Amino acid sequence: EDQVTQSPEALRLQEGESSSLNCSYTVSGLRGLFWYRQDPGKGPEFLFTLYSAGEEKEKERLKATLTKKESFLHITAPKPEDSATYLCAVLGGATNKLIFGTGTLLAVQP
Amino acid sequence: EAGVVQSPRYKIIEKKQPVAFWCNPISGHNTLYWYLQNLGQGPELLIRYENEEAVDDSQLPKDRFSAERLKGVDSTLKIQPAELGDSAVYLCASSLGNQETQYFGPGTRLLVL
Repeated sequence: EDQVTQSPEALRLQEGESSSLNCSYTVSGLRGLFWYRQDPGKGPEFLFTLYSAGEEKEKERLKATLTKKESFLHITAPKPEDSATYLCAVLGGATNKLIFGTGTLLAVQP
Repeated sequence: EAGVVQSPRYKIIEKKQPVAFWCNPISGHNTLYWYLQNLGQGPELLIRYENEEAVDDSQLPKDRFSAERLKGVDSTLKIQPAELGDSAVYLCASSLGNQETQYFGPGTRLLVL
């Protein structure tokens, strides 16, 4: 069964304190791994798509990496405006639909 | 470029009442999705349209939920009658094709009393 597990469930950082969020997945025939950011009361906002192990993508303070079993979202020197829920999703498997994890709630304190 | 548009943003109804949500996808996006998101959970697919054809509605509770995408552009999701457990956020998303990146609207927050 296709499955996505995100950890930790919640993370509190001080401004400037770098860290990583984890997304472990089980899917047959990965067609893409997606990272989204979701602010309270809003829909998910697309961040990155990764397609194969070893691929990396960066955007401002965020960097996403992918292995055959997991993906990491690295946050370098975070700012309070980076506070949000970060969702990971995989596309592939028998259902060929996007399967989401439950997200990591990130709070960055000034 | 305008994003995915949804309305209403909020809806409060009493149980057993009908409710409808509307979605206008990004221009040129052939694939449209309706998702359900419960508090503290990731979105779960309800139905996927390729143009006007519903190609995956396996997770749509067909006894009370219905959807349509006339002319392959706008879409409407309906619940009749609503139950207390339907309280959630209903998200619409669109993409150029099924394998492409999905872009989400702001969602409709439904509260059933």
